[in-house]
Amino acid sequence: AQSVTQPDIHITVSEGASLELRCNYSYGATPYLFWYVQSPGQGLQLLLKYFSGDTLVQGIKGFEAEFKRSQSSFNLRKPSVHWSDAAEYFCAVGAPSGGSYIPTFGRGTSLIVHP
Amino acid sequence: NAGVTQTPKFRVLKTGQSMTLLCAQDMNHEYMYWYRQDPGMGLRLIHYSVGEGTTAKGEVPDGYNVSRLKKQNFLLGLESAAPSQTSVYFCASTLRHGTKRDTQYFGPGTRLTVL
Repeated sequence: AQSVTQPDIHITVSEGASLELRCNYSYGATPYLFWYVQSPGQGLQLLLKYFSGDTLVQGIKGFEAEFKRSQSSFNLRKPSVHWSDAAEYFCAVGAPSGGSYIPTFGRGTSLIVHP
Repeated sequence: NAGVTQTPKFRVLKTGQSMTLLCAQDMNHEYMYWYRQDPGMGLRLIHYSVGEGTTAKGEVPDGYNVSRLKKQNFLLGLESAAPSQTSVYFCASTLRHGTKRDTQYFGPGTRLTVL
């Protein structure tokens, strides 16, 4: 079975600074990988996804993530953080099975943005 | 196109009471899922459905039952609520079974408190 670890419970950055949120997965082959964002009191919104191909994935809101097979990682990055990026971020991994999958979510990283 | 909707948004129950949470989607999606979200735990899958009339257990199914009598609706039932079921419940859906590039669409959540 697949699993995903988000090592950082909280991350604090200053507005305008760069951001990297870590995600490590455990799976025997190449999984499907996702990053979601959740604003307070809201549901989850997909930021980006990786199924195959180019290992650098561009998402919405200026986010990108890079799949590194050798490190079993899928870290989320943004070059310049805005105050509105403050939210909870979830990494998820899906094990391909006949083309479909059931994703497993990490425990989340809370992003705090200082002005 | 309303996407994924959940009813109710908030509910307070006493221990032992029963209730049903309704999830509806108008996107003709095959897969539907129920998750619970607890602080520091991320999202954990309760039950899911791969099509009308079918259901399957997820990671934490105990104390819950589900039904998928119509393709657009996925009901989550608590027969005898317990304080441990205090949580935020999210429903999600995915377009088609076997289409690997589909991603999940989430509802806004239902906040349930069991006293």
